[in-house]
Amino acid sequence: GQQLNQSPQSMFIQEGEDVSMNCTSSSIFNTWLWYKQDPGEGPVLLIALYKAGELTSNGRLTAQFGITRKDSFLNISASIPSDVGIYFCAGQLHNQGGKLIFGQGTELSVKP
Amino acid sequence: NAGVTQTPKFQVLKTGQSMTLQCAQDMNHNSMYWYRQDPGMGLRLIYYSASEGTTDKGEVPNGYNVSRLNKREFSLRLESAAPSQTSVYFCASTRGTGRNTEAFFGQGTRLTVV
Repeated sequence: GQQLNQSPQSMFIQEGEDVSMNCTSSSIFNTWLWYKQDPGEGPVLLIALYKAGELTSNGRLTAQFGITRKDSFLNISASIPSDVGIYFCAGQLHNQGGKLIFGQGTELSVKP
Repeated sequence: NAGVTQTPKFQVLKTGQSMTLQCAQDMNHNSMYWYRQDPGMGLRLIYYSASEGTTDKGEVPNGYNVSRLNKREFSLRLESAAPSQTSVYFCASTRGTGRNTEAFFGQGTRLTVV
């Protein structure tokens, strides 16, 4: 239905490696957002995407809004220990006035 | 700016008790949301309010009620708490839709129902 399927669920990588995660759905989205959550905190926005095909960067982070409007990916280049956390995709559904739903999250661990 | 403020931060309830989680935002945002976060499940939408005076069910509304008291405040009520409602609850707000969808979150309320 309106679920966002995020993968992978978890990743264990070495410092310096690149990371890629993605979200897919059977529904169409108007907006894709990527968040990071540190332990004990609320999620914080990393990147916002508003148009199909849009590719946006924020430092070492790059995200894209899929052409079909049903998917998005996030890449992190040259990972560092402070990248550790849970990353969430979120999307605002087409024609559902403001409803914002989240993926299940990707838990990232970075080994120094 | 305080942003989004949730109270309480922690709460323990006995099965069957009721309580209200409070949320207030000072950013003049139109839309407000309540999510619950459980391990491996991500953030699941309980209820949302697209604008003052409206509320709509999200993915997991059963067992909850909400009130959009005014533009600033959006409360979540558990009428008869159950152990399955043990979770971390987050309130969020957005200015609206489209380019105003970026959600700002509170610090969360950790609720345990015993």
